[in-house]
Amino acid sequence: QSALTQPASVSGSPGQSITISCTGTSSDVGAYNHVSWYQQHPGKAPKLMIYDVNNRASGVSYRFSGSKSGSTASLSISGLQAEDEADYYCSSYTRSSTWVFGGGTKLTVL
Amino acid sequence: EVQLLESGGGFVQPGGSLRLSCATSGFTFSNYAMNWVRQAPGKGLEWVSTISDSAVYIYYADSVKGRFTVSRDNSKNTLYLHMNSLRAEDTAVYYCAKEIRNTNWGPGYWGQGTLVTVSS
Repeated sequence: QSALTQPASVSGSPGQSITISCTGTSSDVGAYNHVSWYQQHPGKAPKLMIYDVNNRASGVSYRFSGSKSGSTASLSISGLQAEDEADYYCSSYTRSSTWVFGGGTKLTVL
Repeated sequence: EVQLLESGGGFVQPGGSLRLSCATSGFTFSNYAMNWVRQAPGKGLEWVSTISDSAVYIYYADSVKGRFTVSRDNSKNTLYLHMNSLRAEDTAVYYCAKEIRNTNWGPGYWGQGTLVTVSS
């Protein structure tokens, strides 16, 4: 199972909006709505932000939203804040009854 | 409050074995599927295994199939990962994670992880 494709890095200024893409195949992202997004700060455990494409996890800011079109999912963050600077990973369920992650995207808040 | 506490990590030689544990509290462990996910130093996340609430359904990544065994003791609220024939590429922080919800067994709430180092 190949990893999902994410951009290595994205950046934005405080207050701006950014979008991170996550491209899979018809065997994972394109086949199921079990797409999740995780935030990971350095030295910390990942934190679930979005699940089932567009559902915010408990306590997650409304500034975070998810979507999907075909085999590509996206995470959008509006009103960027310094605390949003972190690594972000997407994940999807697959036809093999396994889970696959993206390679991760480093978000820099300028 | 949900708590997941991994233990059992350490230094092991190639070909060796190790057993990781994930002690849980704050939720009814026997009602939830659980996952193991690992992260090599400086690298991304890699799903390792999922076990259903009653251990009827168990799934593994191809990279560990035949070498790793996931199990659980619902009476002790504890998840395990038995790792055999360890390789250098198994070096990683290993996280246990509770399912997201009953219709989505993927990693939801994560523990803080335990580091496994495989080296001669």
